[in-house]
Amino acid sequence: GAVVSQHPSWVICKSGTSVKIECRSLDFQATTMFWYRQFPKQSLMLMATSNEGSKATYEQGVEKDKFLINHASLTLSTLTVTSAHPEDSSFYICSAPPGLADTGELFFGEGSRLTVL
Amino acid sequence: GENVEQHPSTLSVQEGDSAVIKCTYSDSASNYFPWYKQELGKRPQLIIDIRSNVGEKKDQRIAVTLNKTAKHFSLHITETQPEDSAVYFCAPDMRFGAGTRLTVKP
Repeated sequence: GAVVSQHPSWVICKSGTSVKIECRSLDFQATTMFWYRQFPKQSLMLMATSNEGSKATYEQGVEKDKFLINHASLTLSTLTVTSAHPEDSSFYICSAPPGLADTGELFFGEGSRLTVL
Repeated sequence: GENVEQHPSTLSVQEGDSAVIKCTYSDSASNYFPWYKQELGKRPQLIIDIRSNVGEKKDQRIAVTLNKTAKHFSLHITETQPEDSAVYFCAPDMRFGAGTRLTVKP
């Protein structure tokens, strides 16, 4: 199956700093990637849809100036959490539908666990 | 946007019994209905999916049924095993339900 890789798998940062998370499709091109956030024992919440070569589409209630998304190539999308605060501590997961034929199935990265001190 | 509800939130069964999880959705335009399994600390993995032109799909012990008129679809696991213990999510239109924590007792 298609492979999506995410980096870093975990990161600890100080409050007020920014953190960048990378999401790569290793064996297919992804014009669209999805970013989710998952708090402990909760569901995955769709934050935004990342579109290659254009602006991301954010879900209602997600601050686009705080969660910067860049999708500069067909294999890489990045999520930057700016001025992170303890309440931003969460598990961030990216996903992508493989290939040009959108089957609907999502392949997920390993996830990035962010802890803000 | 899609409004997704999933029931039950927790489900405990004895090994060998069947488990059924139901998902309702609001967007009548949805046409792809997947179920994901997530183990603790890991990424979700697709276990079965169905498209709107099909009413039922089966893969060994796992099946999914779809009722488009009523806007709900269900996951059926038969002959459950302890390794089936995990959290299961439905995700129509990329939006995840709240999840069902399934525990299979040996």
